[in-house]
Amino acid sequence: DIQMTQSPSSLSASVGDRVTITCRASQSISSYLNWYQQKPGKAPKLLIYVASSLQSGVPSRFSGSGSGTDFTLTISNLQPEDFATYYCQQSYSTPRTFGQGTKVEIK
Amino acid sequence: QVTLRESGPALVKPTQTLTLTCTFSGFSLSTSGMCVSWIRQPPGKALEWLARIDWDDAKYYSTSLQTRLTISKVTSKNQVVLTMTNMDPVDTATYYCARMHPSSLGFEYWGQGTLVTVSS
Repeated sequence: DIQMTQSPSSLSASVGDRVTITCRASQSISSYLNWYQQKPGKAPKLLIYVASSLQSGVPSRFSGSGSGTDFTLTISNLQPEDFATYYCQQSYSTPRTFGQGTKVEIK
Repeated sequence: QVTLRESGPALVKPTQTLTLTCTFSGFSLSTSGMCVSWIRQPPGKALEWLARIDWDDAKYYSTSLQTRLTISKVTSKNQVVLTMTNMDPVDTATYYCARMHPSSLGFEYWGQGTLVTVSS
């Protein structure tokens, strides 16, 4: 199985900040990397697919980059509604695997 | 409009078998490229992918849970069924079904989730 490791596990940031979350795969997954946002009590929401493509309806302050084993989710100009937990997930092979999550909290 | 909804027992006893049903609308699981997965999340913990069934009845399972899981579909009813045997308290989690987009390969649509508690 491909292991996905996110860092940091949590971070504190202020409204307007630029936030970066990283995800590393245990082997190359090309660009088959997705990012999700999850708020308490809700199902995850797809933000970014194939590493850098923005899902329809997702604000442009979210962006993704990377390929191979190292990937980044960036939130520019952090908004109050962005405080949530973010997960990466590889879609290169089955079984699909998720990272352990990064919780973005208000500073 | 694509929707998915999970249903099943809220409480099961240890050693029992859990059966969950995902009822969906807005697409057909007989359409080429379509597939539905089950994903779970223990309280306060990360997401864990469990199983997937494809339009052509191909099935895939979590490596660690494959001996306990069975996934099936009832195409005429737009349903996907997951069974998990020998339930344990560590299986307490919210269980989601989700549809993978055939092109992007991301889980584009999710059900609201159903919390299953394993306790005697």
